[in-house]
Amino acid sequence: DTAVSQTPKYLVTQMGNDKSIKCEQNLGHDTMYWYKQDSKKFLKIMFSYNNKELIINETVPNRFSPKSPDKAHLNLHINSLELGDSAVYFCASSLSTSAYNEQFFGPGTRLTVL
Amino acid sequence: AQSVTQPDIHITVSEGASLELRCNYSYGATPYLFWYVQSPGQGLQLLLKYFSGDTLVQGIKGFEAEFKRSQSSFNLRKPSVHWSDAAEYFCAVGAGQAGTALIFGKGTTLSVSS
Repeated sequence: DTAVSQTPKYLVTQMGNDKSIKCEQNLGHDTMYWYKQDSKKFLKIMFSYNNKELIINETVPNRFSPKSPDKAHLNLHINSLELGDSAVYFCASSLSTSAYNEQFFGPGTRLTVL
Repeated sequence: AQSVTQPDIHITVSEGASLELRCNYSYGATPYLFWYVQSPGQGLQLLLKYFSGDTLVQGIKGFEAEFKRSQSSFNLRKPSVHWSDAAEYFCAVGAGQAGTALIFGKGTTLSVSS
């Protein structure tokens, strides 16, 4: 199926660990995003890449490092995990950076830091 | 700064009744406006969007929304709610480079009673 997929779906880890979340889209889109949804369901943009280049980098701790090996993938690596990093992380993609293009969201990765 | 306000945190409607979810935005220029729905444990799905032109926009699943510039509002409506409409609804405004970054409201939880 054509879609935005994320792995893993659930991630439970200890404080201080380093973890990665992977995102892949097979829609042929040029632009990909990471959003964070906190415990109150508030969604906020973290990063956006267009054709492997970073175009949006919101105020996010530098423990978070996105990596885009190619247009179809945007992975999120988090160092030294903290309790406050617990959230649902959504990957999304769109045809281009234009807002005319719908953003397609992945199913989310629920990260729990103990 | 751009912002989106959804005044209603939780709404309960009876199945078959009409629905209106409120959304107010703050944006300096002509906004790009969106409504997304999030079913439990799922990613976000676009219901409809407004960029320009006709201020009444039709979306999927029988939803519509009306853009009112004078009130800075973009309220979502449905004439007859079905039990499957129970979900979290997010209003968003496109901001940043070409409107790419979506700024979300805090969401409205819709419950449907039988």
